[in-house]
Amino acid sequence: DGGITQSPKYLFRKEGQNVTLSCEQNLNHDAMYWYRQDPGQGLRLIYYSQIVNDFQKGDIAEGYSVSREKKESFPLTVTSAQKNPTAFYLCASYRGMGEAFFGQGTRLTVV
Amino acid sequence: GQSLEQPSEVTAVEGAIVQINCTYQTSGFYGLSWYQQHDGGAPTFLSYNALDGLEETGRFSSFLSRSDSYGYLLLQELQMKDSASYFCAPKAAGNKLTFGGGTRVLVKP
Repeated sequence: DGGITQSPKYLFRKEGQNVTLSCEQNLNHDAMYWYRQDPGQGLRLIYYSQIVNDFQKGDIAEGYSVSREKKESFPLTVTSAQKNPTAFYLCASYRGMGEAFFGQGTRLTVV
Repeated sequence: GQSLEQPSEVTAVEGAIVQINCTYQTSGFYGLSWYQQHDGGAPTFLSYNALDGLEETGRFSSFLSRSDSYGYLLLQELQMKDSASYFCAPKAAGNKLTFGGGTRVLVKP
């Protein structure tokens, strides 16, 4: 079955450490996205990529980095520069006509 | 700049009709999508309007007025399973997808 896989589902990080969240899709979509969601809030765009080897900053890119070396993969690194990284992170890919498919998310907690 | 406004919460009873409004200011606007998210889950796509007018998909309909930078999602014959958060999401040039703060819909028996 086609879809988007995010791993891990839960992630704990010590303060001062970088951590990388995985996002893989087999839908053959060109565009991919990373969003952050805090409790009871909307989705805020971190980074997005229209095509391999290209990506753009979203609204809250500070403290995050991404790469897009393969069409299928769009990993997100949460760096130690991110002051408040505890959140629910969602990855998505775009089919077209306004329709994005989301992974099941990664809950990151700083301990 | 860019902005998105939608109500934070709506409460209604089963069988009722709910309208969730969305106003946006989006550079390079292409169209407006709507998504549903149940607590703890991932958002799922409901509808997309690229042109002015009403799009109907079963119990849900979505409307867009490009001249007013306004759209709405209409939920009819509300069911308990419709209790969720609903997000409007403008699509801009370069496939940029942004989301509003979401409207939490609570359906009561």
